[in-house]
Amino acid sequence: KAGVTQTPRYLIKTRGQQVTLSCSPISGHRSVSWYQQTPGQGLQFLFEYFSETQRNKGNFPGRFSGRQFSNSRSEMNVSTLELGDSALYLCASSRKTDTGELFFGEGSRLTVL
Amino acid sequence: QKEVEQNSGPLSVPEGAIASLNCTYSDRGSQSFFWYRQYSGKSPELIMFIYSNGDKEDGRFTAQLNKASQYVSLLIRDSQPSDSATYLCAGGVGGSYIPTFGRGTSLIVHP
Repeated sequence: KAGVTQTPRYLIKTRGQQVTLSCSPISGHRSVSWYQQTPGQGLQFLFEYFSETQRNKGNFPGRFSGRQFSNSRSEMNVSTLELGDSALYLCASSRKTDTGELFFGEGSRLTVL
Repeated sequence: QKEVEQNSGPLSVPEGAIASLNCTYSDRGSQSFFWYRQYSGKSPELIMFIYSNGDKEDGRFTAQLNKASQYVSLLIRDSQPSDSATYLCAGGVGGSYIPTFGRGTSLIVHP
């Protein structure tokens, strides 16, 4: 059974640009959550999608957005990138919404210059 | 104050010993707790979850929850060098099961 797949794995952007990250969940999983991981703040919850609807949202500015497609694949977008957005962005999938029983992908490492 | 607190460590234990990892949380209404293991350069992996007071055992791992003291722990028996990793404690906050993560405790098991 394939795990959670995230693309791209690494990317470098400059301040002011925007970026889109993609996540394919485990087959049969309908919930996709996004987390930001940095050395200073640890793992922080961005948002969760279930059946194409955002169900939960963390405390991040509106520059961070996401969506989920009918096949449960999800994308997150960060606009007007700032240096502080440099982080590992992790996607996690689960069978149901509002759960901590998550299966994480390998992450997308974003560097903002 | 972060809602889920862990000592960053490192916690160093000899091979074969019991490693005890601890976590406290501030939201008395938290109902669900999770332990994730994260190897260096890898993504977190769920190893235990616990919803009720008391102990829950799974192989060499035991999760303990004390809601009165707002305390969660993870015991690893017969620690192995392959257990060396960062252990993340997470709790559902504000009535949600969406986990809020602690900063993690680094565990080193030396031969």
